[in-house]
Amino acid sequence: GDSVTQMEGPVTLSEEAFLTINCTYTATGYPSLFWYVQYPGEGLQLLLKATKADDKGSNKGFEATYRKETTSFHLEKGSVQVSDSAVYFCALSGGSQGNLIFGKGTKLSVKP
Amino acid sequence: EAQVTQNPRYLITVTGKKLTVTCSQNMNHEYMSWYRQDPGLGLRQIYYSMNVEVTDKGDVPEGYKVSRKEKRNFPLILESPSPNQTSLYFCASSPREGREPQHFGDGTRLSIL
Repeated sequence: GDSVTQMEGPVTLSEEAFLTINCTYTATGYPSLFWYVQYPGEGLQLLLKATKADDKGSNKGFEATYRKETTSFHLEKGSVQVSDSAVYFCALSGGSQGNLIFGKGTKLSVKP
Repeated sequence: EAQVTQNPRYLITVTGKKLTVTCSQNMNHEYMSWYRQDPGLGLRQIYYSMNVEVTDKGDVPEGYKVSRKEKRNFPLILESPSPNQTSLYFCASSPREGREPQHFGDGTRLSIL
């Protein structure tokens, strides 16, 4: 079945460091891909999305490119801030259940 | 403001005492879903609904029930809760199933003693 694998955390970075969180997927067909962010005590918020191969999703300085050839959707940000500390989830959709298939999440902590 | 509202946000209860977690969305979305989030397992779908009176099992439906009598509401029912249902629960909605992003509620933390 469809699945998402993302890098294990936690990830600890200093402010202004470069961030990469790896995400690879297995899916039949052509799923949409998403990154969601969960701040402490809150629900999941959509961070960015891509619906077809070579699409680049971007928001709040974060970017991810839908790479069909490598089945990847890595999240990047050039300069992280303390306020980016959160748990990040990679997800895909498009199955018959209409559900999102999530990775296990990566906790990011950014130190001043 | 477009939102998905869950109640209660926190609940501590005992084994076997029936409980209902409500979920309501104000975006006229057709698709609604319940997930549970557990450490090391990520989020897993419990039940989903593609429209009024249409519900179906997700990946972990055992011990749960749902109903969809109105488009905006999608309650999650635990008829006889057990400790292994202690978890963080999220309701989500989207305009329709499939490729569109889902909007999430703020979550309900259930503790079953």
